[in-house]
Amino acid sequence: AQTVTQSQPEMSVQEAETVTLSCTYDTSESDYYLFWYKQPPSRQMILVIRQEAYKQQNATENRFSVNFQKAAKSFSLKISDSQLGDAAMYFCACKRDDKIIFGKGTRLHILP
Amino acid sequence: KAGVTQTPRYLIKTRGQQVTLSCSPISGHRSVSWYQQTPGQGLQFLFEYFSETQRNKGNFPGRFSGRQFSNSRSEMNVSTLELGDSALYLCASSLTSGGAEETQYFGPGTRLLVL
Repeated sequence: AQTVTQSQPEMSVQEAETVTLSCTYDTSESDYYLFWYKQPPSRQMILVIRQEAYKQQNATENRFSVNFQKAAKSFSLKISDSQLGDAAMYFCACKRDDKIIFGKGTRLHILP
Repeated sequence: KAGVTQTPRYLIKTRGQQVTLSCSPISGHRSVSWYQQTPGQGLQFLFEYFSETQRNKGNFPGRFSGRQFSNSRSEMNVSTLELGDSALYLCASSLTSGGAEETQYFGPGTRLLVL
């Protein structure tokens, strides 16, 4: 069965600092996609970054980057220069074919 | 381009009642997926519709059903509501269906409270 685990229910980071959110997954498939979604308080979920499993190069989107370790089935999200607007629930997800599994999320607090 | 919209945004029902939630996908998107989000279970997949056909179904009882119309708008219905059905119901749309590369775009959700 496909599983996604986010071991940190909550994290805090000082504004302008860097924080890394952890995610591990388990799938028997060789072809899949990984996503990080952000859900701000009372606002809709938006895609932060995605990674194709067949690509070795880590995806980057501005201040957001991932550390994708396929052998270890690890997919962590690094947020650089944290901003107050980054405060949200972050969900890691693994998608293969037409099935997507989400982790239970990490709530990120930004300390001014 | 307008995003995914869901109506209503908030709903209060009592046990035993039934409820219908609506989702309008992004224009041009043909796939609509539904999720239930609760603090304890996180995001759980309910079902996915593509071209008016249910393609996939999660592990939920038959009280949860859905449908999709020819304009890709989708509705989900929950009959005989239970207290445990209180949740945020999220709808997500994507361009097509069946591909792992497809990115899903989420709506704001409908928050259902069952009393």
